[in-house]
Amino acid sequence: DGGITQSPKYLFRKEGQNVTLSCEQNLNHDAMYWYRQDPGQGLRLIYYSQIVNDFQKGDIAEGYSVSREKKESFPLTVTSAQKNPTAFYLCASSPMGTNNEQFFGPGTRLTVL
Amino acid sequence: SQQGEEDPQALSIQEGENATMNCSYKTSINNLQWYRQNSGRGLVHLILIRSNEREKHSGRLRVTLDTSKKSSSLLITASRAADTASYFCATDAYSGGGADGLTFGKGTHLIIQP
Repeated sequence: DGGITQSPKYLFRKEGQNVTLSCEQNLNHDAMYWYRQDPGQGLRLIYYSQIVNDFQKGDIAEGYSVSREKKESFPLTVTSAQKNPTAFYLCASSPMGTNNEQFFGPGTRLTVL
Repeated sequence: SQQGEEDPQALSIQEGENATMNCSYKTSINNLQWYRQNSGRGLVHLILIRSNEREKHSGRLRVTLDTSKKSSSLLITASRAADTASYFCATDAYSGGGADGLTFGKGTHLIIQP
């Protein structure tokens, strides 16, 4: 999983609670991404960041928030406003420039009870 | 909306046979990439083909790109049991540059039977 760590691997939360997923990379990559994957589906982009202190909404940003205070870290908060938060969340990074190869973390499986 | 669509959704072949997966997309692209995902794991990059390339090889992988038909194919030759995984194509829609994320298809689930 190439220098990107996500924690925890499994996460259980009660409905209505906010939860923060961790993503850290030591690849010195400028760009970082959060994707959501549902069973039998491809990945959908939640948020991305091309540089520290800046981030952009992806296709499904509603109910999520992010921060990028350090180059190495890009945490994702799943808020209570997210209507269907149970999913597999994947973090990725890539060198700045164009959309070249992305390096993925091992993922966090979030289950909201 | 998802731009890439893989075909077939699932494929089961015998070990040693070749596996071919196809991907179609809708808009102009800078490049197209293929990724592999083992069950419950992160994605691993396999190969990238740029819009001005027509074919690319990497080990047992062969990727073709037809920009006029907006389609790509991934061929895995001499398949092995360890190739069992889901395979996704991902496109980088032309945006004038910048790292603004990829658009993934739903994937082809490949099963290699020993």
